Amino acid sequence: DAEITQSPRHKITETGRQVTLACHQTWNHNNMFWYRQDLGHGLRLIHYSYGVHDTNKGEVSDGYSVSRSNTEDLPLTLESAASSQTSVYFCASSELPESSSYEQYFGPGTRLTVT
Amino acid sequence: KQEVTQIPAALSVPEGENLVLNCSFTDSAIYNLQWFRQDPGKGLTSLLLIQSSQREQTSGRLNASLDKSSGRSTLYIAASQPGDSATYLCAATPGTYKYIFGTGTRLKVLA
Repeated sequence: DAEITQSPRHKITETGRQVTLACHQTWNHNNMFWYRQDLGHGLRLIHYSYGVHDTNKGEVSDGYSVSRSNTEDLPLTLESAASSQTSVYFCASSELPESSSYEQYFGPGTRLTVT
Repeated sequence: KQEVTQIPAALSVPEGENLVLNCSFTDSAIYNLQWFRQDPGKGLTSLLLIQSSQREQTSGRLNASLDKSSGRSTLYIAASQPGDSATYLCAATPGTYKYIFGTGTRLKVLA
């Protein structure tokens, strides 16, 4: 069955370190997204990609970067981790517009703690 | 800018009750609206997706409706069970492929 996987599931890192969170999907979806979830804020979009070599900033992109070298993967990099980036991170993917639904499928999440 | 609001933030009901969760959005120009369930410490599970041309979708004991003109969607849960306890999130697509999420309603069904 198709799925989205995220790794690691839990990560503790120190302030200032570079961290990369992995996201891999086997849906063959063109669209992929990274969100962070914090109490009181719901899910907020960090970055998104509509296809290979395409990346776009979301509403909370400062301090984060992504790259898309193939359809299946969209890694999220924290250039210099800050305590404000302690959060739960979710990756998602969605179908092409021809399907008319854009239904999003989510990974299980990565809990990141920056000390 | 699209904003999505869910009221109430938390709800506690006895088992067997029918209940309605509300989702409001400020911009009626949406492509679809999706309802999710999230269990503590887990990811999001899609429950129902309503396309902009549709008025409602049903799956088992769940029924979601969409009224674009009033900027509202409701999720109706019939005959609630303790296993329905979770946080319910709605998300609207404002015209591109990305979603705007509400902050969720935390539901507790008491046995």
